[in-house]
Amino acid sequence: NLVLTQPHSVSESPGKTVTISCTGSSGTVASNYVQWYQQRPGSGPTTVIYHDDHRPSGVPDRFSGSIDRSSNSASLTISGLRTEDEANYYCQSYDAGKWVFGGGTKLTVL
Amino acid sequence: QVLLVESGGGLVKPGGSLRLSCTASGFTFGDYYMSWIRQAPGKGLEWVSYTSSSATYYADSVKGRFTVSRDSAQNSVYLQMNTLRAEDTATYYCARSTGNGYLGGFYFDFWGQGTLVTVSS
Repeated sequence: NLVLTQPHSVSESPGKTVTISCTGSSGTVASNYVQWYQQRPGSGPTTVIYHDDHRPSGVPDRFSGSIDRSSNSASLTISGLRTEDEANYYCQSYDAGKWVFGGGTKLTVL
Repeated sequence: QVLLVESGGGLVKPGGSLRLSCTASGFTFGDYYMSWIRQAPGKGLEWVSYTSSSATYYADSVKGRFTVSRDSAQNSVYLQMNTLRAEDTATYYCARSTGNGYLGGFYFDFWGQGTLVTVSS
């Protein structure tokens, strides 16, 4: 069964760039699409990246996604960090009839 | 705009039942598949179910206890939860699923605000 592993937390200063990784335990992350969701405290999640590297309408181009097949991982990169980017971020993919989430990464912008 | 509103959460005793509702607006409900995802207090997201026009999939943790149904006339999807356990305590989110034809291409593009289910004696 696919397990997606994310760092528990990351922190960076406003204006900087941060990358959050999502590593697959088995199979290949590249076998199915990876999505990224942002969840601010007290709110439902919103999609920031879908199908590996696509941004929904309204998501700023400071958010980008990528896949590294050599390391079986996906990444979410946020550039020009703003305080409002502070949130939990979850990667998600699919494996054999199940939709799988990573454990989530808390991004602190300080 | 797309709006998903969950309801029906509350406090229930272990072994009890509860039915959650999710009412959708802002899009043609019949054109989309729907999913339920939950989040235990202070924890991460856990997929619960996905329902298409032809099949419903469940997480192993709820299979045989939870049942999904939908009513297109009411623009609603429901989650019937039976034999509830303490570990089912979570905020339950309804999400619209969209994709490009095969299951691995589907994801959750819009989410509701969630409804809290607490299983405790």
